[in-house]
Amino acid sequence: DVKVTQSSRYLVKRTGEKVFLECVQDMDHENMFWYRQDPGLGLRLIYFSYDVKMKEKGDIPEGYSVSREKKERFSLILESASTNQTSMYLCASSRRQGKRNEQFFGPGTRLTVL
Amino acid sequence: DAKTTQPPSMDCAEGRAANLPCNHSTISGNEYVYWYRQIHSQGPQYIIHGLKNNETNEMASLIITEDRKSSTLILPHATLRDTAVYYCIVAGRNTNAGKSTFGDGTTLTVKP
Repeated sequence: DVKVTQSSRYLVKRTGEKVFLECVQDMDHENMFWYRQDPGLGLRLIYFSYDVKMKEKGDIPEGYSVSREKKERFSLILESASTNQTSMYLCASSRRQGKRNEQFFGPGTRLTVL
Repeated sequence: DAKTTQPPSMDCAEGRAANLPCNHSTISGNEYVYWYRQIHSQGPQYIIHGLKNNETNEMASLIITEDRKSSTLILPHATLRDTAVYYCIVAGRNTNAGKSTFGDGTTLTVKP
């Protein structure tokens, strides 16, 4: 059974802390994505990566950075967490090419920044 | 990538067909229409996708208009478990990373 896993389902951090959200996929996918989901705003793309050590900004990259040192792992980093980063964070992966290259999503991490 | 427009909410009676519309008037020739759904507290799940022909799988049918500016996802016999948020997105098939915009989707409520 293919899987995208995220390191935590729930996380509570304090303002100013450095936060790491980890995502691992076991499908040998080239592409990986980080989204945040907020009520009334849908899913918004933060960053994506189409290969190891490659990254591109999505729609809302401010306040975030990412790391992809290995193909299966894509990390989202909040350098200095702020309360407006309280959100549900979703990781996804997909093949770069193929007949079906839909995105497979993880269960999400609900982050609360106090 | 093209943006999509969906109604914010819809209701459907259990056992009846649910028809969820999506407008994607700026879709380009090499972009596919993808549908996902998100059940509460889970990540979105792929349902179906298509380019210009109608498609059917075990979950749903996808009807794409001839001009490709809109599509309809059909759940032929909706069940209570189909209550979810449904997202229509457009993306290139061989995109490097598919900067797909999900938007707010349609909240489908299936009622007994």
